[in-house]
Amino acid sequence: DAMVIQNPRYQVTQFGKPVTLSCSQTLNHNVMYWYQQKSSQAPKLLFHYYDKDFNNEADTPDNFQSRRPNTSFCFLDIRSPGLGDAAMYLCATSRIGGETQYFGPGTRLLVL
Amino acid sequence: SQQGEEDPQALSIQEGENATMNCSYKTSINNLQWYRQNSGRGLVHLILIRSNEREKHSGRLRVTLDTSKKSSSLLITASRAADTASYFCATERDFGNEKLTFGTGTRLTIIP
Repeated sequence: DAMVIQNPRYQVTQFGKPVTLSCSQTLNHNVMYWYQQKSSQAPKLLFHYYDKDFNNEADTPDNFQSRRPNTSFCFLDIRSPGLGDAAMYLCATSRIGGETQYFGPGTRLLVL
Repeated sequence: SQQGEEDPQALSIQEGENATMNCSYKTSINNLQWYRQNSGRGLVHLILIRSNEREKHSGRLRVTLDTSKKSSSLLITASRAADTASYFCATERDFGNEKLTFGTGTRLTIIP
């Protein structure tokens, strides 16, 4: 089945130690998104790729970076995680003009 | 700023009863979508209603949209234990914008 895959499902890192979360998709969608979701809150868009074009949200901290080496893969890099970055990170995809987004299962990040 | 506010924040009902959740938003939209999120998982798209539509049905789901009041409601009929989840509304402001803004969510618990 076509799907969005996130690895790992759980990630523990230390305060200040860089961490990379990965997302892959078999849907061949042009648009990929990264969201941050803290406990009992709405998902918050960090950035998205429109094909290779990177679109950063104005309030996304510089600590968060992203890479999309090809259509299928997208990475979220947190350069120096703080305690406040502990959250669920959700990857999603959509077709251009497709309206509906397809989500992966998420990676839960714990910062010690 | 967050686009959508949902009401109630939490809802508990007996299995077999109907559940109604409401969403309000602040600006004009192209469409409004509802997503379900099981605990610790990604979001799953349920239904989309466009700004020129007033009501839409999908199985046990009924969505209404009132653009004059900037509000939407999601009705789940004949609820089942498996419907226990958080439900989020999400709005797309402009066609081709490719971005969704999520509401605060309603946590629905179905009591067997």
